[in-house]
Amino acid sequence: DTGVSQNPRHKITKRGQNVTFRCDPISEHNRLYWYRQTLGQGPEFLTYFQNEAQLEKSRLLSDRFSAERPKGSFSTLEIQRTEQGDSAMYLCASSPGQADTEAFFGQGTRLTVV
Amino acid sequence: GESVGLHLPTLSVQEGDNSIINCAYSNSASDYFIWYKQESGKGPQFIIDIRSNMDKRQGQRVTVLLNKTVKHLSLQIAATQPGDSAVYFCAENAGGTSYGKLTFGQGTILTVHP
Repeated sequence: DTGVSQNPRHKITKRGQNVTFRCDPISEHNRLYWYRQTLGQGPEFLTYFQNEAQLEKSRLLSDRFSAERPKGSFSTLEIQRTEQGDSAMYLCASSPGQADTEAFFGQGTRLTVV
Repeated sequence: GESVGLHLPTLSVQEGDNSIINCAYSNSASDYFIWYKQESGKGPQFIIDIRSNMDKRQGQRVTVLLNKTVKHLSLQIAATQPGDSAVYFCAENAGGTSYGKLTFGQGTILTVHP
């Protein structure tokens, strides 16, 4: 499978714990995006990378959230001191970085904070 | 603020009928639009896109229409099949140089009855 890969698919954690998700984009895609989706809503943009540079962060990305893409390939999204409101589907997408090309989404990581 | 929204949250059709899903957008500066299909527990799947310099684009069984005058986007699915049952999102490019940074609407649930 050469699509966007996300791990884990599901994560249940206790409030206050830290969690980390991983995203492997499509090979040679230099742009990588993180979105969050809550039940019944469309995905909301969180942040994106061009290669290893994080170019934009949404105001939705609080100080407890940090994303990295150290080698310009895979990316991690860490949430510190999780809260129940962090429960959501976290989606990763990648694109070739050319104009007018769509972003390809992974299957997402479903986070449940109990 | 700028937003993308949908007129109908649910749509039920019979197998073989044509389906039309509508979307209104408010950001007149948006120049790229995408329709995504999302099945339960999966990430959004690209269906079709359209640039702002076009008013119609056709794919396999799907057609997207763009009316910039009234800021309206629609997705037409011909000969709808049970496998088309899913949530459909329109999304607009939020501007700038990153075409993967998207603003999504709320979504329309399409149910196709055999």
